[in-house]
Amino acid sequence: SAVISQKPSRDICQRGTSLTIQCQVDSQVTMMFWYRQQPGQSLTLIATANQGSEATYESGFVIDKFPISRPNLTFSTLTVSNMSPEDSSIYLCSAVVGGQPQHFGDGTRLSIL
Amino acid sequence: DAKTTQPNSMESNEEEPVHLPCNHSTISGTDYIHWYRQLPSQGPEYVIHGLTSNVNNRMASLAIAEDRKSSTLILHRATLRDAAVYYCILPIFSGTYKYIFGTGTRLKVLA
Repeated sequence: SAVISQKPSRDICQRGTSLTIQCQVDSQVTMMFWYRQQPGQSLTLIATANQGSEATYESGFVIDKFPISRPNLTFSTLTVSNMSPEDSSIYLCSAVVGGQPQHFGDGTRLSIL
Repeated sequence: DAKTTQPNSMESNEEEPVHLPCNHSTISGTDYIHWYRQLPSQGPEYVIHGLTSNVNNRMASLAIAEDRKSSTLILHRATLRDAAVYYCILPIFSGTYKYIFGTGTRLKVLA
């Protein structure tokens, strides 16, 4: 199974700033996704990270707030822009390798002061 | 989109079997049923998936009703390490297969 590494694992940020989260997969992946998990809640899909093209965002999420890049098959970044306390969440990356079900990273725990 | 319904929480005694139910009455004929679990401070972990037939792997068994409108994840002998939130998911195809997570079932295992 694929190993997914996220950096940073946690961070505390000031409101109004931006943070970029990195996701690295150790295998050639077909698809990559980004999720948000607010405190005590389930996971919500933010977007599909498309290689070499703009990400596909779910309803309620916009590129200006959550720009995503995927320059190659195994690496993607999610930026949380102009952060407010409401953005305090766990952000998770997942990947599909071959025909297998999605594998998830352990997430980035983000707190906004 | 097909949706799933799970109990919010369940309890089990250690070393006893656990049956975690999931209702998916709007499932279509080609929808797979996936189960994941999320242990504390970790990302979701794949458990098992199936289409029509019952499935077994080293972690669990998946029993799928004949009409496919419900399924049950079976942990044969619960351990304290099985305490987690268990999610039943029907991947949605929209250009690619996406997961829409429901609220899941929080399993508490009693020593």
